[in-house]
Parts: sequence; structure tokens; C-alpha cells
Amino acid sequence: AQSVSQHNHHVILSEAASLELGCNYSYGGTVNLFWYVQYPGQHLQLLLKYFSGDPLVKGIKGFEAEFIKSKFSFNLRKPSVQWSDTAEYFCAVNSRNSGNTPLVFGKGTRLSVIA
Amino acid sequence: DVKVTQSSRYLVKRTGEKVFLECVQDMDHENMFWYRQDPGLGLRLIYFSYDVKMKEKGDIPEGYSVSREKKERFSLILESASTNQTSMYLCASTSGTELLAKNIQYFGAGTRLSVL
Repeated sequence: AQSVSQHNHHVILSEAASLELGCNYSYGGTVNLFWYVQYPGQHLQLLLKYFSGDPLVKGIKGFEAEFIKSKFSFNLRKPSVQWSDTAEYFCAVNSRNSGNTPLVFGKGTRLSVIA
Repeated sequence: DVKVTQSSRYLVKRTGEKVFLECVQDMDHENMFWYRQDPGLGLRLIYFSYDVKMKEKGDIPEGYSVSREKKERFSLILESASTNQTSMYLCASTSGTELLAKNIQYFGAGTRLSVL
């Protein structure tokens, strides 16, 4: 069975600091990878996704993620965080080949950005 | 614009009550999902449906059932609510016209259920 591991439960950063949130998955086949974000009081929304091609993908609001197949990782990065990035971030994966597999989510990382 | 609507944002029920959580999407999506979200546990899949009248168990189906009588509506049912079902419940949908694996899930705002 697939699983997703997010290394940090809660990250606290000052504004303008750089961000990297870790995500590792366990699955032997070809996967699709996603990062979702949930701002306080709002619904989950897609931040970025990787299906194939360039392993460095760019999403909304200056976020990017890099797929490293050899490490089974899909870490999320942002060079300079803002207070408005305070949110919970979820990494998710599903199998590309199966056709009918729902997403498997990690447990989430709560990011708090302080002034 | 994509819209997934959950009928209630907050719900308070008593132990043993039968509870219905409703979800409607207006995008003509084939696939719909119910998750529960708990602090430190992330999102866990309860049930999903690929078509009307079809349902599949997710990772934690015990204590829940679902109903999909119309394409746009997917209901989660707690037959006899218990305190350990106090949680945030999220509904999501995706289109089935592409290979499912490539589809992006669109989420509702969630229903925060408290069982007393």
C-alpha cells in the first residue's frame, strides 16, 4: 500500500525565511504527486502537482517542488515566506498506472510565519 | 468556477443519532470522495464513488455508509454516531473523463461534526 510521510508536524519561520517541507512516499511504481494547502478557515486547494516531465514544478504563490525519484521525495520549497503563507500543507500521491486509485495524503505540516 | 458544497459547516449531534452529511458538486464530476481530517492524522479516506449507485470502501469505512443516488450528490451517513466520530469531514470530487490518476481533487469547505 502507498504511504506518504511528512517529516515536520509544525514549522515556525520568520517572514522572509526560506522554506522547505519534506515529503517522502512509498510506492514502487509510477506516481502522481501533489501538494495541497489549507489556509485557516478555508478549504483545501491545490498548490502544485507533478505528473511527468521536468521534475521541478512551480505552483501558485511562488511555491515550487522537486521530484527526486531516487529518493522517493517531493519536497516543497519557497525562497521567502510571507505571513500569509501561514497554513497547513499536505503532500499526496496516487498511482499513475492504476487508473482508479484515490489520493493518499500525508499527515500534514502546519506552517506558522511570524513577523 | 469549480464548486463543491457541503450542506453544513458545523453540526452538533448526540451519541446514537443517525447523521447525514451532504455534498453536492456542480461540475458534472463522476468521482466523489469523503475524508475525515483529524489533527496530526491528516486526511483519511472513508468512502468514494466512481458513478451513481457505486461505492468503494476507503481506509476507514467502519461506522459509516454512503449513498450516491444522483451524480451530483454524495451523502455520508453515520448510522449511530459515536464520540470518536467527532471530526472535520471533507468532501471532494474529480472528473472521470480523463484517466483518474491525473485528476485534481476539488474540496468542499468541510463539516465540523461534534458528537456529544
